[in-house]
Amino acid sequence: NAGVTQTPKFQVLKTGQSMTLQCAQDMNHEYMSWYRQDPGMGLRLIHYSVGAGITDQGEVPNGYNVSRSTTEDFPLRLLSAAPSQTSVYFCATQRASGSYEQYFGPGTRLTVT
Amino acid sequence: GQQVMQIPQYQHVQEGEDFTTYCNSSTTLSNIQWYKQRPGGHPVFLIQLVKSGEVKKQKRLTFQFGEAKKNSSLHITATQTTDVGTYFCAGPGKIIFGKGTRLHILP
Repeated sequence: NAGVTQTPKFQVLKTGQSMTLQCAQDMNHEYMSWYRQDPGMGLRLIHYSVGAGITDQGEVPNGYNVSRSTTEDFPLRLLSAAPSQTSVYFCATQRASGSYEQYFGPGTRLTVT
Repeated sequence: GQQVMQIPQYQHVQEGEDFTTYCNSSTTLSNIQWYKQRPGGHPVFLIQLVKSGEVKKQKRLTFQFGEAKKNSSLHITATQTTDVGTYFCAGPGKIIFGKGTRLHILP
């Protein structure tokens, strides 16, 4: 089992470029989430999904789009990258019932110049 | 969503000393989770507390959930270099993470 995978590991973008951060899981978890982590700010929720076809906004959704067409995949799209989006991005999954434990991917380190 | 405040933000301890981080909420939490993130790594789930006054132990780590379910603590006895990292508490719902406590161990 690969668990939660994220690609790419590192990415440098120029301001205004768009890109998609990929997240895939093989644990059959219903819930998936995207967080960004900035120094001193902890983990902030960007978007989340409770199942295929269902997404909702988190704490800091502006500048990001998500879609969930399958249980396994939850891509995060940056529409027009800005330097303020320089961060480390983590994808996480969770079962819909039982434990609230979240399983995190290894992260994508994004720099926008 | 619910907010959780975590203190201290940073803690330096000598190896072998104890360490405690605290997590506080203004509202009652149905549960609280604790995660550890090693430098350069991703958060890893440590434990979930659900019951009022609950105390759980994992080797040198002791987790407590307050009687009012508004606060929690993580205590590490006799810290080791392997304890280095940032410890996060997280509330339920749209899981809201505290800002974490970064633990540095001085040899």
